Amino acid sequence: GAVVSQHPSRVICKSGTSVKIECRSLDFQATTMFWYRQFPKQSLMLMATSNEGSKATYEQGVEKDKFLINHASLTLSTLTVTSAHPEDSSFYICSAFSLTSGYVLGYEQYFGPGTRLTVT
Amino acid sequence: RKEVEQDPGPFNVPEGATVAFNCTYSNSASQSFFWYRQDCRKEPKLLMSVYSSGNEDGRFTAQLNRASQYISLLIRDSKLSDSATYLCVVMAPSSARQLTFGSGTQLTVLP
Repeated sequence: GAVVSQHPSRVICKSGTSVKIECRSLDFQATTMFWYRQFPKQSLMLMATSNEGSKATYEQGVEKDKFLINHASLTLSTLTVTSAHPEDSSFYICSAFSLTSGYVLGYEQYFGPGTRLTVT
Repeated sequence: RKEVEQDPGPFNVPEGATVAFNCTYSNSASQSFFWYRQDCRKEPKLLMSVYSSGNEDGRFTAQLNRASQYISLLIRDSKLSDSATYLCVVMAPSSARQLTFGSGTQLTVLP
């Protein structure tokens, strides 16, 4: 199946610094990628939809100036958490759709392994 | 009302048991439905898609009732390795292909 990678897998940073997380589709091109956040014992919450070559679409309540998304190519999207604070500590996961054969709708969503961010 | 609601769990069952998870969704126009499995501190992995006619994959059976806006997952002959959190997932009725996740049901299969 399709593979999505994320880097780094884990990062610890000090409050006030910025952290960039990369999401790559390794064997397919993704015009759309999604960024999720998951707090402990909670489900995934969609933060934004990242569109190649255009501005990201943010979900209600997600600050676009704090969570900067860049989707410069069909295989790479980046999420930058600016001026991170302890409450931004979370598990950040990206995903992308890959066209598959044999399914009615033709798409499956593949998730990256996630990035665990801890802000001290 | 949440867009996707699941059994709160947790479910603790003995090895070999049959366990069923339920899920309801609020948007009647939703197009696609899935069950994902998430292990602790890992990303979700697709377990199976859910089709209107119901579908089976080995020990796993998924069913969809559009009239009741209800999705189910049945696991037969549960294994220790089935212990995980099971996420009910619904795709938005648009070309954006956004997924909405339920809060998940934690399953622990006991030896």
